Amino acid sequence: QVQLVQSGAEVKKPGASVTVSCKAFGFTFTAYHMHWVRQAPGQGLEWMGRINPGSGGTNYAQKFQGRVTMTRDTSITTAFMELSGLTSDDTAVYYCAREWSADPYFDYWGQGTLVTVSS
Amino acid sequence: QSVLTQSPSASGTPGQRVSISCSGSSSNIGRNYVYWYQQVPGTAPKALIFKNNQRPSGVPDRLSGSKSGTSASLAISGLRSEDEADYYCAAWDDSLSGWVFGGGTKLTVL
Repeated sequence: QVQLVQSGAEVKKPGASVTVSCKAFGFTFTAYHMHWVRQAPGQGLEWMGRINPGSGGTNYAQKFQGRVTMTRDTSITTAFMELSGLTSDDTAVYYCAREWSADPYFDYWGQGTLVTVSS
Repeated sequence: QSVLTQSPSASGTPGQRVSISCSGSSSNIGRNYVYWYQQVPGTAPKALIFKNNQRPSGVPDRLSGSKSGTSASLAISGLRSEDEADYYCAAWDDSLSGWVFGGGTKLTVL
């Protein structure tokens, strides 16, 4: 069955970078766009960007351009999201989410990865 | 400061019908489809509605979506205790070239 399994929680210092991984199971990894969405504590959802695992092409939200990099490794069916220049405002749960093939909504989500930024 | 505006809370008693609204602009809801997600605290969101009013497989037909102009709404009839969750609307924004979400509505089943 379709599953997205994310890497574990991270604690980072301000100014550092973090990389979150999202391993895909149960579907053709290169056939579906993968998105990243984050949620700060007690807050709503915020879209960060997407990657086309087939081509490696990316689209980033304006807010994160220059600070986020999304990549993939097709040999291990895993997508990665790296966020640099961390501040306390980046403390959030980060989700990967698969885009359904027939319509651009997020049909499967990872379990989420908590990233805490603290000095 | 979400791009889409939702009321922070809604409530109803079991069996009732409740409606959750979402307001946007011409660059998002006015031109593009609306999507709805449900999130039980501590878990990942789940898709409820796509393309304004379509339900993914497995979503019961007591949930329905609609859109008019730059606003949209999600209706839940026959309210159940398991409907207690946070609900988010979403749409593609042409000006921002990205997905935007509402701030979420916390639904309480009394």
